Amino acid sequence: GESVGLHLPTLSVQEGDNSIINCAYSNSASDYFIWYKQESGKGPQFIIDIRSNMDKRQGQRVTVLLNKTVKHLSLQIAATQPGDSAVYFCAETFPPDTGRRALTFGSGTRLQVQP
Amino acid sequence: EAGVTQFPSHSVIEKGQTVTLRCDPISGHDNLYWYRRVMGKEIKFLLHFVKESKQDESGMPNNRFLAERTGGTYSTLKVQPAELEDSGVYFCASSLGGSGSTDTQYFGPGTRLTVL
Repeated sequence: GESVGLHLPTLSVQEGDNSIINCAYSNSASDYFIWYKQESGKGPQFIIDIRSNMDKRQGQRVTVLLNKTVKHLSLQIAATQPGDSAVYFCAETFPPDTGRRALTFGSGTRLQVQP
Repeated sequence: EAGVTQFPSHSVIEKGQTVTLRCDPISGHDNLYWYRRVMGKEIKFLLHFVKESKQDESGMPNNRFLAERTGGTYSTLKVQPAELEDSGVYFCASSLGGSGSTDTQYFGPGTRLTVL
């Protein structure tokens, strides 16, 4: 079936540096993409989302980029902090008006922030 | 505002036994979802409720799994009889619903199920 995958299982960065986490998706019909952060012992926490009619969206210290041509999604975290250490998942789904809201998750990337 | 809650946080049972997991969504959220992550694999969708109705149960692995949402509030997921491969973390999520362009799903902390 269709799936979302991640290029790097673990990413280690220095505190204060910028982080970039990548994700490839295979379902060209997907319309809505989300990044989640999961800390140990907790459930996935929503970070930022983007619709397929956009190629960039910014939040607080985070930016998501979408390249539909190559089916690639990335999450950029500015000035990475120790509290950013977690596993990051990208997820995709169809537009809400389709009635199909199941999220398809990637395998996750572990971000380790070195002090 | 309380988030999605799940009970229990951990459950250890023997193969062949029955376990029931509970999820309380965010108040007012019509949509409720079950997901699970087994054997270190990706988080996989199980099913989706809209109020008390099953909107999509395409991810349910087999008939040993039964999900209910009587009254459209909390939901239960029963595994009967449990098998070793059912071990993993079961997540519940809820969303407000509606016809908006996006519908963010908020996740609970999960229930870690271990089948011995």
